Amino acid sequence: ETGVTQTPRHLVMGMTNKKSLKCEQHLGHNAMYWYKQSAKKPLELMFVYNFKEQTENNSVPSRFSPECPNSSHLFLHLHTLQPEDSALYLCASSHPAGRRGNTEAFFGQGTRLTVV
Amino acid sequence: QKEVEQNSGPLSVPEGAIASLNCTYSDRGSQSFFWYRQYSGKSPELIMSIYSNGDKEDGRFTAQLNKASQYVSLLIRDSQPSDSATYLCGLNDMRFGAGTRLTVKP
Repeated sequence: ETGVTQTPRHLVMGMTNKKSLKCEQHLGHNAMYWYKQSAKKPLELMFVYNFKEQTENNSVPSRFSPECPNSSHLFLHLHTLQPEDSALYLCASSHPAGRRGNTEAFFGQGTRLTVV
Repeated sequence: QKEVEQNSGPLSVPEGAIASLNCTYSDRGSQSFFWYRQYSGKSPELIMSIYSNGDKEDGRFTAQLNKASQYVSLLIRDSQPSDSATYLCGLNDMRFGAGTRLTVKP
């Protein structure tokens, strides 16, 4: 496999459930990102990991918990979500910041999450 | 708050015309600029990257950067119905604008 792969593609969960989203990249990148995309809203950058270390958390509620065990894998653990958390969750990867800042990001296909 | 501003559109152009998409940004320290295309229900895909002032051409696409004016644009020549999508402007801090929805009418 190549590129950035996200699983599952679709997820329906109740507000009391616990689930995890998985992202895997085969591009040799060392930076990985979680984004939330709601209808008619901009892409919201949630978390940034560089070389497995979290370098950015954009005031994301604690019901979203990221985990980056290595540079190729990124998880988003979900618990006690709200209906307004329903959205497309996108994972991306890139080479980390250098002289020009981060290089181009490559996105996974996303997980369409519905909270009922 | 660092911002990336795009006209949300929708922008409608006839087939064969030039589509012009614009983006302004607030962080003068931004070094890298990216244009992504996102089809409905799909993830964003990279079209162009630009790092220096001026124009950069790739096929029917031309990216233009003016750091003094904090402005980056994307021109699509000979627009095709398959170009109909949302176009996202992104910066090297991995933030994006809200996107401009483009419709190319046959």
